[in-house]
Amino acid sequence: EDQVTQSPEALRLQEGESSSLNCSYTVSGLRGLFWYRQDPGKGPEFLFTLYSAGEEKEKERLKATLTKKESFLHITAPKPEDSATYLCAVQADDYKLSFGAGTTVTVRA
Amino acid sequence: GAVVSQHPSRVICKSGTSVKIECRSLDFQATTMFWYRQFPKQSLMLMATSNEGSKATYEQGVEKDKFLINHASLTLSTLTVTSAHPEDSSFYICSANVRGGPYEQYFGPGTRLTVT
Repeated sequence: EDQVTQSPEALRLQEGESSSLNCSYTVSGLRGLFWYRQDPGKGPEFLFTLYSAGEEKEKERLKATLTKKESFLHITAPKPEDSATYLCAVQADDYKLSFGAGTTVTVRA
Repeated sequence: GAVVSQHPSRVICKSGTSVKIECRSLDFQATTMFWYRQFPKQSLMLMATSNEGSKATYEQGVEKDKFLINHASLTLSTLTVTSAHPEDSSFYICSANVRGGPYEQYFGPGTRLTVT
């Protein structure tokens, strides 16, 4: 059974204080690892897909990396508008997504 | 691009009634659509997978007679919660894969269902 574990559960940052979120996974036949951002009461917003170990992707203050066992989402110099829950999901050969529980990030001005 | 809409965004219904939720891909054709539910402070749980013109595949523990899914076209899927009860109150979210595209799932904004 596919398993996705995210840590920490919650993260409180001061504006400008960089940090990283972790997503560790076990999956048979990884097709892709996905990062989403979810705001309260909204659907997840697609951020990145990573397909193979060593791959990195960036978008504004966010950078995602992937190894064979885990992925990191680095937030550089965060702003209050980066406050959200960040979800990690793995996709196996059946194209279904298995989600982690998420990391709720709060950035204080 | 890759915009998914849901309607309604919020619905309140009485126990025993049925509620239909629509999910549309606005600017692309969807190979597959997925339905999730999310409880407060929990992650998304996949309920079912549907392909256009075929029967939906339900995850273990999801009652197919209670959660009816119809995927009538490459841009529309509907979820009907039949004989709703208070325990069906939840946040329902759909997603879609781009037909012929990469494997990312694009999510709708969600529907908040409250059963009284």
